Amino acid sequence: DAKTTQPPSMDCAEGRAANLPCNHSTISGNEYVYWYRQIHSQGPQYIIHGLKNNETNEMASLIITEDRKSSTLILPHATLRDTAVYYCIVRRSGNTPLVFGKGTRLSVIA
Amino acid sequence: DAGITQSPRHKVTETGTPVTLRCHQTENHRYMYWYRQDPGHGLRLIHYSYGVKDTDKGEVSDGYSVSRSKTEDFLLTLESATSSQTSVYFCAIGGGNTGELFFGEGSRLTVL
Repeated sequence: DAKTTQPPSMDCAEGRAANLPCNHSTISGNEYVYWYRQIHSQGPQYIIHGLKNNETNEMASLIITEDRKSSTLILPHATLRDTAVYYCIVRRSGNTPLVFGKGTRLSVIA
Repeated sequence: DAGITQSPRHKVTETGTPVTLRCHQTENHRYMYWYRQDPGHGLRLIHYSYGVKDTDKGEVSDGYSVSRSKTEDFLLTLESATSSQTSVYFCAIGGGNTGELFFGEGSRLTVL
C-alpha cells in the first residue's frame, strides 16, 4: 500500500475550519484514502473515506486532488472536542488491513 | 457502539510470564485485528484474522501469537512477556471492502 505523509501537528481556532493535509503521491488506482482520528487514549474512530470523488458526511469532508496524489480532510467548524490525532491511510479494498502512520496532532484552541 | 470487549483492561505482569489478551465481539465480523500503540508511534499492526483459524502476521508480530477458534473471540498471547511489550493493545473488527474499523477500548499492559 502507498505511504502517506502528514504534518506532525497543527493548531486551529475553535469555530474555524480545520484543514488537514495528506500527501500520498505513490497511490495506486485501486487504493482508497481513509481518515481516522484518535481522541486522547481512546481507540481510533473512522471518519470518512474516498476513492477519487470528494466525499462529505456528518463529521467531515474529504477533498481528493484530481491526480489523487494528495487529499485534505476538512472539519468545517472545529470544536475543542475535535482535538485529536488524525490519521490518513491509503489502502486497497478487500482483505488488506489498515496500516496507521503517526498522524497529525490537531489542537483546537479556544 | 460496536460490540467489542477487551479483557483485561489493565494488567501488570513480570518479565518471562505468559499473558493472554482477549477480544470478544458480538457483531459477527469476519475480520479482527490486534494493534499496539506506544509513545512516539502510531498504531502498529501485530496480527489479524480473516476468519476462524485464519490468521496472518502484521508489522510487529515477533513475540506474539494469536488464535481464533470461533468467530467472536480473537486471543493475543505473549508467550514470555518482555519489558518491550509494555504497551496499550487495541483490538479492532471490520475492514473488508468498506475499510471501516471499530476499535475496542484498549488493554494497558505493563511488564516489569
